[in-house]
Amino acid sequence: EAGVAQSPRYKIIEKRQSVAFWCNPISGHATLYWYQQILGQGPKLLIQFQNNGVVDDSQLPKDRFSAERLKGVDSTLKIQPAKLEDSAVYLCATRLVLNPQGEQFFGPGTRLTVL
Amino acid sequence: AQTVTQSQPEMSVQEAETVTLSCTYDTSESDYYLFWYKQPPSRQMILVIRQEAYKQQNATENRFSVNFQKAAKSFSLKISDSQLGDAAMYFCAYRSANTGGFKTIFGAGTRLFVKA
Repeated sequence: EAGVAQSPRYKIIEKRQSVAFWCNPISGHATLYWYQQILGQGPKLLIQFQNNGVVDDSQLPKDRFSAERLKGVDSTLKIQPAKLEDSAVYLCATRLVLNPQGEQFFGPGTRLTVL
Repeated sequence: AQTVTQSQPEMSVQEAETVTLSCTYDTSESDYYLFWYKQPPSRQMILVIRQEAYKQQNATENRFSVNFQKAAKSFSLKISDSQLGDAAMYFCAYRSANTGGFKTIFGAGTRLFVKA
């Protein structure tokens, strides 16, 4: 079974530029999460999708971050414009079903550096 | 709001020895799940072990076991017979069994070094 795929793995941009990250979930996984992991911290949830609908985006900075999952499969996360404090690893995780005990499967992450 | 605290930023252990990583959490809920995740350097985060709050028996997975103290809101991870491959960041995590969306809240992590 293929795992969660993310691209790019690394991205360096200057502040005020735009950037987009892509996530391809494990086949059949309906629940998809985007996390931000700042160096030295644990992952923080940005947005959660169930199929193509948003379940929780309460911690997404909506003035600069956006995310979509148009067909309930792949997802993209965009930052426009980027700030220095956006430097972090962006993790995508997926789950088969939306229940409390199910395992999350994480992708390798995209390391973003904003200069 | 629920919080997860890992008070040990770093720990080290000698190969083949045992190490315990600490985690405390705060919640007003009675039904929830607790997890330990492992994040090796430059590699994907993987689930190590899971504990259901309604179960009194501590979860075990091979060399990994937990000490779950519900009243104290403590959830420590014990790694026995430590191996070089155990070196990684370890994250403790909490998930409500009732809240819509079942959001996972992570601690700040503990970096484990294993000495040969």
